[in-house]
Amino acid sequence: DAKTTQPTSMDCAEGRAANLPCNHSTISGNEYVYWYRQIHSQGPQYIIHGLKNNETNEMASLIITEDRKSSTLILPHATLRDTAVYYCIVRVRNYGQNFVFGPGTRLSVLP
Amino acid sequence: EAGVTQSPTHLIKTRGQQATLRCSPISGHTSVYWYQQALGLGLQFLLWYDEGEERNRGNFPPRFSGRQFPNYSSELNVNALELEDSALYLCASSLTLPGTDTQYFGPGTRLTVL
Repeated sequence: DAKTTQPTSMDCAEGRAANLPCNHSTISGNEYVYWYRQIHSQGPQYIIHGLKNNETNEMASLIITEDRKSSTLILPHATLRDTAVYYCIVRVRNYGQNFVFGPGTRLSVLP
Repeated sequence: EAGVTQSPTHLIKTRGQQATLRCSPISGHTSVYWYQQALGLGLQFLLWYDEGEERNRGNFPPRFSGRQFPNYSSELNVNALELEDSALYLCASSLTLPGTDTQYFGPGTRLTVL
């Protein structure tokens, strides 16, 4: 059963912020939100994860709503190299548990 | 720090043959995971190895098997290849400590079955 819902595709202008939404209305209290991306025919790349607080790293920011039912991944200044499929995944944080990838959002960064 | 490496990059086999794919995890990572990504489909979990043992497997037939070596590298073997086994095979590694689980993926091996 899908735990997350993401738009199929989005466009973003180069240099602008890309805001990728994810709905996870059935998230449990011990489940984290993870984001990965996959550039064409490459292995998925880890971006960021969080539980309830907003998180930021060198790649992106993750904003999680107070009720934790949705989140937004923000790429502050999108470049053409950010064109990829972005996956939002909800899971408990423990080694050994596989990640379940849905169809994700295909982000196209346009010049 | 070197990431997860996989070999070969591409592999072409014919139906009925066996394929062997290799993976070297990030230094210090003891868990290795294998995923299959068929064309147009999502990533499907195949196998998880830790400390040399198979710990979990996805919904794949027994002809998908593998092993993990003492240096934590891993092999995925696919026997009696079928056309539908054509896919990108991805390996990931992670630490094996409570509260850690981020999986880091390699570039993949593209297997083509003719």
